[in-house]
Amino acid sequence: AIQLTQSPSSLSASVGDRVTITCRASQGINSALAWYQQKPGKAPKLLIYDASSLESGVPSRFSGSGSGTDFTLTISSLQPEDFATYYCQHFNIYLYTFGQGTRLEIK
Amino acid sequence: QVQLQESGPGLAKPSETLSLTCTVSGDSISSYYWSWIRQPPGKGLEWIGNIFYSGNSNYNPSLKSRVTMSVDTFRNQFSLKLSSVTAADTAVYYCARVYSSSWSDAFDIWGQGTMVIVSS
Repeated sequence: AIQLTQSPSSLSASVGDRVTITCRASQGINSALAWYQQKPGKAPKLLIYDASSLESGVPSRFSGSGSGTDFTLTISSLQPEDFATYYCQHFNIYLYTFGQGTRLEIK
Repeated sequence: QVQLQESGPGLAKPSETLSLTCTVSGDSISSYYWSWIRQPPGKGLEWIGNIFYSGNSNYNPSLKSRVTMSVDTFRNQFSLKLSSVTAADTAVYYCARVYSSSWSDAFDIWGQGTMVIVSS
């Protein structure tokens, strides 16, 4: 099964910062990657699908890039509501896998 | 507006069967695949399985021997049964809609989640 490894596991940043989170797949997955945001006590929210397609209603400060094995989620200018945990996710042959998560905290 | 709502007991005894239902409102259950996903306290997300309105289902190999999913198109609901539960099955259980895009599948709509504790 394909493994997804996110880095860093956690990071501290300030409002207005540009932040990048990385997801690495154990083998090539083309553009088959999604990103989610999860706030404490809430369900995950889909941000990005197909590696770089922005889900409807998601602010444009969120963007995704990459293909093959290396992917990034970028938040161009952090807002207070962006402090949360972020997960990447892949689907292949009837198996969905998630990265272990990246916790984004306020500095 | 599509909404999902999980329901079921919040407590299960070890070795027994955990049963949850997800009610879909605002859309027909016949249009998509539907999933169960769980999250142990303080940990990450784990996909449990998928089901289509026809009853076609796929399960995570790590749980396959204990999982049964079913669908009730009349009530617009789908259900999860997880047998022989242990404390390791304690988690928030989410139901979600599967969105099929150009390259892959993602989960675009989620229920609020329901906490299930396995304890005697």
